[in-house]
Order: sequence, then C-alpha cells, then structure tokens
Amino acid sequence: DIQMTQSPSTLSASVGDRVTITCRASQSISDWLAWYQQKPGKAPKLLIYKASTLESGVPSRFSGSGSGTEFTLTIGSLQPDDFATYYCQQYHSHSSTFGGGTKVDI
Amino acid sequence: HLVQSGPEVKKPGASVKVSCKASGYTFAAYGISWVRQAPGQSLEWLGWISAFNVDRNYAHKFQGRVTITTDTSTNTAYLELRSLISDDTAVYYCARDRWSSSFGVFDIWGQGTVVTVSS
Repeated sequence: DIQMTQSPSTLSASVGDRVTITCRASQSISDWLAWYQQKPGKAPKLLIYKASTLESGVPSRFSGSGSGTEFTLTIGSLQPDDFATYYCQQYHSHSSTFGGGTKVDI
Repeated sequence: HLVQSGPEVKKPGASVKVSCKASGYTFAAYGISWVRQAPGQSLEWLGWISAFNVDRNYAHKFQGRVTITTDTSTNTAYLELRSLISDDTAVYYCARDRWSSSFGVFDIWGQGTVVTVSS
C-alpha cells in the first residue's frame, strides 16, 4: 500500500499568515492527489484535486503543487474560517490512502 | 445529498451494516467509497464500488471482512463490516466520486455514522 506522510502534524499560525503543508508519498503517484479540509464533528470538504486543480467554490487563497512523491498545500493568507485539519489523499490505481493530517490552529 | 443511517452499538465479533441514501443526482452513474475515522485519528479508506456496479476494490487491511453493495432501486449504498473488534469503533462516512466513471476524488460526503464496538 502507498503510505502518505504529512508534515507538520500541528501548525500554529495567525490570521494573514502564509501557510504551507507538505505531503510525501512512499512511491510515485503522478498527480493523483487531493486535499481536504475537516472541521470538528464535520465531514471532510474537498479543496484541491489532481494536485493543483481548485475545486469549484473554494477560495483562491488555497493552492496546491507537486507531482511524483512531493506535494504541498499553500494557504496564501490565513483567514479565521481556515483553522481546521487538512488531509492529503492519494487515489492511484483504484486504491486510496490519506495522510495523517495537519491541524492548523491559532 | 448523502444521508446515512443512525448510530450503532455492536459487541465484538458481530457485524454491522451501514446505509447511505443518495438524492439529487443519478445514483447509478457515480462510484461510492467508504471512509472511516477513529476517535482523534486520521481518515482511513475501506473500499469502493464503481458506477453501475462494474467494479469493486477494497483496502488490503479489510479484504475478507468488508462488503460494499448498492441498491439502485432505492439509491442506497451499503457497507457491511464483519468480525468487529474494538478498533473498529469509528465514524464511518460514505463519499461520492467527483465524476461519473472516475475514482478517488470525493466531492459529496454523508454526515457520518458512529459505530461503537464494546462488550
């Protein structure tokens, strides 16, 4: 199985900060990578797919990059609504695994 | 929308079957995955059934213990997990593939079903 490693596991930031989260795959997944945001007690919300394509309705301060085994999610200017946990997910070859998550808090 | 069945409490060794009823789109034309989240933990993918029931795939960890089915007459997907252990205690989510006949990008999620395994 493909393992996904996210870093950091926790990130303390302030409103207006630029935030970067990294996700590493144990083998190449091309660009079959998505990012989700999850708030406590809620289901995850799709932000980005195919490594860098922004889902419809997601603010443009979110961006994704990378291919192969190294990927990043960047929040250009952190807003109060962005304090949440973020997960990367690989979806290569009809199988899927998620990263361990990155909690962004104040 | 995806609306899931209510909370379940099961004893170790039992089975659980969780349902996920779809509305607002052509149910048969999109695949459904099941994802779980143990308390305080990350997300874990269990398996997937494709659009039109053409294909299924399960995570290696759950093969032999999980079955995903759909009933197109009621627009409902089901997850059955057998031989439950305490580590199966989690919130179970169903999630829809973003595009028809695709896999892996989940754009619509159910509200989650709490499954508790306890003696």
